Amino acid sequence: AQTVTQSQPEMSVQEAETVTLSCTYDTSESDYYLFWYKQPPSRQMILVIRQEAYKQQNATENRFSVNFQKAAKSFSLKISDSQLGDAAMYFCAYKGREGKLTFGQGTILTVHP
Amino acid sequence: EPEVTQTPSHQVTQMGQEVILRCVPISNHLYFYWYRQILGQKVEFLVSFYNNEISEKSEIFDDQFSVERPDGSNFTLKIRSTKLEDSAMYFCASIQGADYGYTFGSGTRLTVV
Repeated sequence: AQTVTQSQPEMSVQEAETVTLSCTYDTSESDYYLFWYKQPPSRQMILVIRQEAYKQQNATENRFSVNFQKAAKSFSLKISDSQLGDAAMYFCAYKGREGKLTFGQGTILTVHP
Repeated sequence: EPEVTQTPSHQVTQMGQEVILRCVPISNHLYFYWYRQILGQKVEFLVSFYNNEISEKSEIFDDQFSVERPDGSNFTLKIRSTKLEDSAMYFCASIQGADYGYTFGSGTRLTVV
């Protein structure tokens, strides 16, 4: 079974600075997808970014980018120019052949003004 | 942008009662999912549904739970004889195909008292 591990229960960053959230996963599959979801206090799940495992190029969405290291099974999220609205719980998630999402434990991000 | 709609947003029920959580997936999506998030914990997979039948279910999804798509648009999760530990946020999600990303609903917060 696949597992996803987020080793940072909490992280904090100053507004306008950069922060990196870590995620590692374990799988025997070669084709899969990785996601970062943001969960604000409203508890809605908002897709931040996705990465296909067969793509070597790291995904980027505006201020959000990933560092995907397939051999190391690492998938970190970098948030540049952090904004107060970025404060939320962030979940890393894996989707393999079965189609279901397996989530990490989450990282609470605090943004200080 | 198309949305997954969940109702109600919050439901309070007495222990032992039956509840039905409703979801309207995006119309051209083919795969439907229910996930659960106990407060402060990670998001857990419950069940996936494709072609009018369950395609996969987790250990959590025991005989207490059932899903159905009664009219081709709604997708429901029924919890029979609710327990205190069923209190959680329940998310519905749908995807167009296996290679696509998820769209989550805004969730139903279930409180069992």
